[in-house]
Amino acid sequence: EVHLVGSGGGLVQPGGSLRLSCAASGFDFTNYNMNWVRQAPGKGLEWVSFISSSGSVIYYADSVKGRFTVSRDNAKNSLSLQMNGLRDDDTAMYYCAAGGGDYMDSWGQGTLVTVSS
Amino acid sequence: DIVMTQSPDSLAVPLGERATINCKSSQSVLYSPSKKNYLAWFQQKPGQPPRLLIYWASTREAGVPDRFSGSGSGTDFTLTISSLQAEDVAVYYCQQYYTTPLFTFGPGTAVDIK
Repeated sequence: EVHLVGSGGGLVQPGGSLRLSCAASGFDFTNYNMNWVRQAPGKGLEWVSFISSSGSVIYYADSVKGRFTVSRDNAKNSLSLQMNGLRDDDTAMYYCAAGGGDYMDSWGQGTLVTVSS
Repeated sequence: DIVMTQSPDSLAVPLGERATINCKSSQSVLYSPSKKNYLAWFQQKPGQPPRLLIYWASTREAGVPDRFSGSGSGTDFTLTISSLQAEDVAVYYCQQYYTTPLFTFGPGTAVDIK
């Protein structure tokens, strides 16, 4: 069974940094593309970042480009999102989501990031 | 960018009745060579992460009850819950992955019991 556990969220001041992690188990992590998707309080879903199974292909939403960096460690079955220059509108629940093909088929529980002074 | 819209924003349906949610993409998500529509549906219950229900516009994910069905092609899609159950109260999102990995979601449709 696919299991994704996010961590690293918390309260941070505007302009600050935070590093999110996602621990994967129950599937062959090395064969899955991974994504970060966020959801602001009471709002819809926004795709944030993609990293291919090998880590060689990376994409970001325009809203986070230049501030966020995604990475993965296939030896440790883990995914990370380094977030710098955080803004109020980055406040959201951040989900990691796995995709064995073109679509996202499994999601973690999420980790909450709050940007506030 | 492909923009996804959904209608209605919310709906309330009596238990056992049909619920229909519409999704429209700003451009076709049908890949002609494969004849596949790059469209998925997700269900999100309060306090939970989204759950994949449907992919390729009409293929049910394993374990999803057969009262959920997806249809449509090109730019217009529908998610139908044939007989609404109490556990189906949730927000439903469509998502295009035609421009994968640059995904876009619809704004969501909230389904409740009347």
